[in-house]
Amino acid sequence: AQSVTQLGSHVSVSEGALVLLRCNYSSSVPPYLFWYVQYPNQGLQLLLKYTSAATLVKGINGFEAEFKKSETSFHLTKPSAHMSDAAEYFCAGRRGGATNKLIFGTGTLLAVQP
Amino acid sequence: DVKVTQSSRYLVKRTGEKVFLECVQDMDHENMFWYRQDPGLGLRLIYFSYDVKMKEKGDIPEGYSVSREKKERFSLILESASTNQTSMYLCASRSRDGNYEQYFGPGTRLTVT
Repeated sequence: AQSVTQLGSHVSVSEGALVLLRCNYSSSVPPYLFWYVQYPNQGLQLLLKYTSAATLVKGINGFEAEFKKSETSFHLTKPSAHMSDAAEYFCAGRRGGATNKLIFGTGTLLAVQP
Repeated sequence: DVKVTQSSRYLVKRTGEKVFLECVQDMDHENMFWYRQDPGLGLRLIYFSYDVKMKEKGDIPEGYSVSREKKERFSLILESASTNQTSMYLCASRSRDGNYEQYFGPGTRLTVT
């Protein structure tokens, strides 16, 4: 991906509600796409990844994401939010060209209200 | 499990000091990365190393240098720390044969006063 865009720097949901975090990418090559989660004062942890296999990818903690080529999107969802899901979420994609680097979105901070 | 460790979780340094941030990975990964993370800007790549003694500038290398003398260790050096280098610094590694997945350390929160 030459660019990765996360829509919404802050998202707030109620406990038990659907979580939807948006990510769009631009790429001229088949993408590898990732969602990472960062809990306060910690490093990034991989939630899930798309590597050109199944378009619906399941990750840890009940999260999943669907790769939609026609929409150049890779949105992250979870049917029912839990208080422990409060964290910052980053979408990332492979940079274009002959590179093994990733490009990251600017992050979405998820708040879960009781 | 891959483990990436960083030498300090929190660091406070004075303007003009030389600062070393150390990163060690235990999975024999060829590639290692240094990022800085700032609110609203996400992760920005400072430097990348694709093998021992090999390095490549990232998006924001100014004011930083790196050293990779051994495969498992990648150091970030601030030659003369400045207040605008106050940030969270994240180290990551990946296998050259992997699918671009990077493994991250816990981060070092550096404050320059």
